[in-house]
Amino acid sequence: DAKTTQPPSMDCAEGRAANLPCNHSTISGNEYVYWYRQIHSQGPQYIIHGLKNNETNEMASLIITEDRKSSTLILPHATLRDTAVYYCIVRVVDKLSFGAGTTVTVRA
Amino acid sequence: GAGVSQSPSNKVTEKGKDVELRCDPISGHTALYWYRQSLGQGLEFLIYFQGNSAPDKSGLPSDRFSAERTGGSVSTLTIQRTQQEDSAVYLCASSSIRGLAGGIYNEQFFGPGTRLTVL
Repeated sequence: DAKTTQPPSMDCAEGRAANLPCNHSTISGNEYVYWYRQIHSQGPQYIIHGLKNNETNEMASLIITEDRKSSTLILPHATLRDTAVYYCIVRVVDKLSFGAGTTVTVRA
Repeated sequence: GAGVSQSPSNKVTEKGKDVELRCDPISGHTALYWYRQSLGQGLEFLIYFQGNSAPDKSGLPSDRFSAERTGGSVSTLTIQRTQQEDSAVYLCASSSIRGLAGGIYNEQFFGPGTRLTVL
């Protein structure tokens, strides 16, 4: 699997957009980019995934660069409940493996 | 229920004892996964069940760990002769693998986990 690199932490003001970067320079052509998050003391929660095109759902938007070597998860209007560890994963199928992720703290 | 459930939510045991952790996946999900997460660490894959296929046990750390899935639904993870390094949160997830043109993906739904503490 391609390795991903994320900043260890970031702060965001409530109501503002949060942009979470992820580098995956060794991604191969059939690997998808997934984002999960984990709120304290809960199981991980799926957010969004993509292959080449930008994606949007009710939770977030995913922007993937044309060369697919990096991506950005966008939380359009961060709320206090979005405080969590966010994981960027590159994988073909099944068997997820999370690294340290980015700890996002949304402040009032 | 609508989500993945796990029991117990917390388990404290003494070193050397056996423990059983239970997972009830989302109804109809053919794939079931066990992971563990140690304090401050990322997610570590343990074992994967998909339908009637032989399970993928490649992540099990030792032969003290085993899991079964009965009737394609409920799964039990068993840890024999527990050690202190087994202390972690054990997470179960289920998914329904869907096919897409050019590839497949799965969205995994996680349970709340079982926090195991080995004294």
